[in-house]
Amino acid sequence: GAVVSQHPSWVICKSGTSVKIECRSLDFQATTMFWYRQFPKQSLMLMATSNEGSKATYEQGVEKDKFLINHASLTLSTLTVTSAHPEDSSFYICSARPWDRGLDTQYFGPGTRLTVL
Amino acid sequence: SQQGEEDPQALSIQEGENATMNCSYKTSINNLQWYRQNSGRGLVHLILIRSNEREKHSGRLRVTLDTSKKSSSLLITASRAADTASYFCATASSGSARQLTFGSGTQLTVLP
Repeated sequence: GAVVSQHPSWVICKSGTSVKIECRSLDFQATTMFWYRQFPKQSLMLMATSNEGSKATYEQGVEKDKFLINHASLTLSTLTVTSAHPEDSSFYICSARPWDRGLDTQYFGPGTRLTVL
Repeated sequence: SQQGEEDPQALSIQEGENATMNCSYKTSINNLQWYRQNSGRGLVHLILIRSNEREKHSGRLRVTLDTSKKSSSLLITASRAADTASYFCATASSGSARQLTFGSGTQLTVLP
C-alpha cells in the first residue's frame, strides 16, 4: 500500500528557533501534498496545499512567512515553522495525493508532534 | 475553515453494539469521506461516498449521505474494542484542488 512518512515524529524546540518537518511519499509520486494542523482533541485544519515545483497555496489565516512550505520533488515536501512560539505547539500532519490515482485519493502521514518551550 | 459538525462529540458503547456517528456540512460537495484516527496517530481512510450516492457499505461500515439535508452518518456494526478511536468526516470540494475539510470528530470508546 501507499506509504507516507514524516520526520521527525516528534520534536521539542526553544521559542524563537525554526523547525523543519519532512513529508515523504515512499512508494509513489505525489504532485500535490497537503499540510494540516491539529490541536489537542480538535479536528484537522488545512494549512496549505503544496504543488510540486510551484508556490504553496495557504489557507486564510495561515501566515506564509511563518510556515514555509517547499515541495521541491515529487516525493518530498517540507514545512518549516520559523521563529516558533509556544502557541505553534501542535500535531502537524501531511497528506500526499498520487499523481495517477485521481483527485480523491490522499494518503496521510503519521504526524509530527511539535512542542515549543 | 471547518465545515463539518459531528455528533455526538463522544460515544461510549459496549463491545458488540452498533455505533452511529453523524456529520453535517454547509456547502456543496463532490464527495464525503470518513476517516479514523487512533490517539496521536495519522489518519486512516475508511470509506468515500460520492454526492450522487445515498448509501455505501464496506465490511462492518455503512455510510449514508443526504445531500438535501447536507448530512451523513457512519454506522459501525458489531463494534469491537479495537474500533476505539476518533472518527472524522471530511468533505471534498468540487474544484480541481479537491481539498478536504474535516468535521469536528467523534471520539468512540468501545468497552470490552
